[in-house]
Amino acid sequence: KAGVTQTPRYLIKTRGQQVTLSCSPISGHRSVSWYQQTPGQGLQFLFEYFSETQRNKGNFPGRFSGRQFSNSRSEMNVSTLELGDSALYLCASSLGYRSAGELFFGEGSRLTVL
Amino acid sequence: AQTVTQSQPEMSVQEAETVTLSCTYDTSESDYYLFWYKQPPSRQMILVIRQEAYKQQNATENRFSVNFQKAAKSFSLKISDSQLGDAAMYFCAYTENQGGKLIFGQGTELSVKP
Repeated sequence: KAGVTQTPRYLIKTRGQQVTLSCSPISGHRSVSWYQQTPGQGLQFLFEYFSETQRNKGNFPGRFSGRQFSNSRSEMNVSTLELGDSALYLCASSLGYRSAGELFFGEGSRLTVL
Repeated sequence: AQTVTQSQPEMSVQEAETVTLSCTYDTSESDYYLFWYKQPPSRQMILVIRQEAYKQQNATENRFSVNFQKAAKSFSLKISDSQLGDAAMYFCAYTENQGGKLIFGQGTELSVKP
């Protein structure tokens, strides 16, 4: 069974641009969560989607948004990029909503903002 | 707000020896889950072990076991017979009431010496 797939793996953007990251969950998994990982702030929850609906949102500005499609694939978008948005963005999938932490993570998308 | 604290940024262990990673957390909830996740240098996070707060028995997974002290809000991970492949960043994490967002500690980087 294929794992969680995130694309692109690496990308470089400049301040003010926007970026879209994609996540394909494990087949059969319907819940997708996103986390931002930085050396200073560590791992922080961005949002969680289940059945195409955002179920939970972390404490991030409105520049961070996401969506989930009917096939459970998810995208997150960051608009008007800032230097501080440079991070590893991790996607995780689980079988259902609130799966008690049984999350399966992708390898992440490394975003560098110049 | 719930918090998770890992006070050991780095730990080192000799191959075949035992090491214990510490984690404390703060919550006013009575129903929650605690986890240890492992993030090897390849960056894909993997669930190591899970503990339900209502269970008094400490969780065990092969060479990995936890010491869960609910009253003290302490949740340490013991790795027995350490192997080179155990070298990674270890994150302690918390979620309440059957899941949803994970709150992570800052991580402990474990190195294993041959």
